[in-house]
Amino acid sequence: DQQVKQNSPSLSVQEGRISILNCDYTNSMFDYFLWYKKYPAEGPTFLISISSIKDKNEDGRFTVFLNKSAKHLSLHIVPSQPGDSAVYFCAAGTQAAGNKLTFGGGTRVLVKP
Amino acid sequence: EAGVAQSPRYKIIEKRQSVAFWCNPISGHATLYWYQQILGQGPKLLIQFQNNGVVDDSQLPKDRFSAERLKGVDSTLKIQPAKLEDSAVYLCASSPGPSGLHSYEQYFGPGTRLTVT
Repeated sequence: DQQVKQNSPSLSVQEGRISILNCDYTNSMFDYFLWYKKYPAEGPTFLISISSIKDKNEDGRFTVFLNKSAKHLSLHIVPSQPGDSAVYFCAAGTQAAGNKLTFGGGTRVLVKP
Repeated sequence: EAGVAQSPRYKIIEKRQSVAFWCNPISGHATLYWYQQILGQGPKLLIQFQNNGVVDDSQLPKDRFSAERLKGVDSTLKIQPAKLEDSAVYLCASSPGPSGLHSYEQYFGPGTRLTVT
């Protein structure tokens, strides 16, 4: 049972343009969501999070949007840079369940110079 | 601030052999997690510790996997005997936990890539 899904396995974008990564979830009990970036041979790096009581959180070039009614979140990267080329994972959890995270399958982003 | 440390970074063993991985979390982080990441998939939680107690090990194949976190700091994950399907990256993460602002943000180590032949 995949509770968190990233339906696009890959994304290619031109440098300077916007990258939009999508994530869908099924468990309405999730009360926070996170995005991680992963380079080859490294562990995932925390990027940005959002609580379920918010619909937007912004940190520099990264903005996460949450649509609870649609059980959908997205990560916007503006402007995209070649160093953003990586695999991005969305994850969700509930504090009541001990902060256990459920991850999506990842989206590979390639930013072309 | 030092990050999460893991060793070894790579390990190749034959099936039915045993292997152990070590993790040192970020100083002061009470919660420690072990994940298994199979190629092309997202990380899957194996076990979660709060200090030196187990919070969740529902996804841990207990017939072959074991983990401990003595003294509530370092942790080891062991596989005995290994199977071919255990080939994966084993990630350790820690978080300030269990409550408070941003207590749920987990920070990952570099992982150990295990190949079982």
